[in-house]
Parts: sequence; structure tokens; C-alpha cells
Amino acid sequence: AQSVAQPEDQVNVAEGNPLTVKCTYSVSGNPYLFWYVQYPNRGLQFLLKYITGDNLVKGSYGFEAEFNKSQTSFHLKKPSALVSDSALYFCAVRDSRGSQGNLIFGKGTKLSVKP
Amino acid sequence: DTAVSQTPKYLVTQMGNDKSIKCEQNLGHDTMYWYKQDSKKFLKIMFSYNNKELIINETVPNRFSPKSPDKAHLNLHINSLELGDSAVYFCASSPSPTRGWETQYFGPGTRLLVL
Repeated sequence: AQSVAQPEDQVNVAEGNPLTVKCTYSVSGNPYLFWYVQYPNRGLQFLLKYITGDNLVKGSYGFEAEFNKSQTSFHLKKPSALVSDSALYFCAVRDSRGSQGNLIFGKGTKLSVKP
Repeated sequence: DTAVSQTPKYLVTQMGNDKSIKCEQNLGHDTMYWYKQDSKKFLKIMFSYNNKELIINETVPNRFSPKSPDKAHLNLHINSLELGDSAVYFCASSPSPTRGWETQYFGPGTRLLVL
């Protein structure tokens, strides 16, 4: 069965500092991994995804994520956090062997960036 | 131009009522989804349609009935609303259900409150 874990309910970071939001996954085949962001009272916005190839994926708003197959992780990172990055972040996975297409989401991590 | 749109944005109603939420995508995608986000922000797939045909139906009460008049629209009708139906309902679309690397694009959500 596919699953995603986001071990932190909340991450607090000072503006200008680097941030990391953690995600680990479990799938049968090769994973397709996604990060989405949800701003308050808004929908989910796609940030980035890993399909294959380079383990470091760059996405929107200066975010990047590193795929680590041995640790089954796909942590979201940003070198310098902004107050406007404060939002709810979701990691999601699809199994390459799956044929139905739906995403399996983690429970979300609230990122709070203080000035 | 809005890629995935939902109406209404907010819906407040009484227990026992029947209500519908509409979703439209102008991306030319074949596949559309309904996800439910509960009060703890957990996101879970409810239904998926590919080119007007149902392909995913998770363990959702049969009070929920999706309808896809064409591949650009996926509406969600809910009969006999219950308190536990209060949630945010997100529509999403993707080019196909079987190419797992494709990004899903989400609508802004419909916030349903059942009193």
C-alpha cells in the first residue's frame, strides 16, 4: 500500500534562515513524488515533483526538494525563508505501478516563518 | 484564466438537505477528481472520472454521487447532508489517470458547513 509520512505538524523558522519540511514515503514500485502548498483559505498549488533523473528538483518560489531512494525521503527545502512562505505544505505520492492516478497525501506540515 | 474552478466557494446548509458542488476545468484534461479535506486538514480521494467514466470510488457513502456531463465538468451531489460532511471539497484534474508523473491541478475548494 502507498503511504506518505510528514513527521512534523509544524515547522518554525526565522525569516532568512534555511527551511526543511520532511517527507518520507512507501510505495511498491518507483515513486512519483509531489509537493503542494496551501495558503490560508486557498486551494492547493503545485510546487514541484520528482519523476526520475536528478535527485535535486527545483520548483516554484525558490523551493527545491531532494529525492533520497535509500532513505525513502523527499524533503522540501529553501535556502532563505520568507514570511510569505508561511502556509500548509503537503507531500504526495503516486506509485508507478498504480493505474488509478489518485494522489496519496501526507497529513500536511504547517510552516511558520517569523520576521 | 482559472484552470480549475469550483462553485460555490462557500456552502452553509442544514442537516438533511441536498446540495451540489460544480467543477469545471479548461485545461483539456481527460481526468477529474474529487478530494475531501477534513477539519484536521487530511486530504483524501473520493472519486475519479476519466473521460466521463468513473474509475475510482473510494469508500464514500452512497449519499455522494458524482456526475460528469462531459470531460470538462465533474459535479458532486450530496443527499441528506450530515454534520460529518462538513469539510472542504477540492476538485482536481490531470491529463490522464494512468501516467502517474502528470501533475494534478486543484481548484480553490468549496467550504461546506452543515448545521
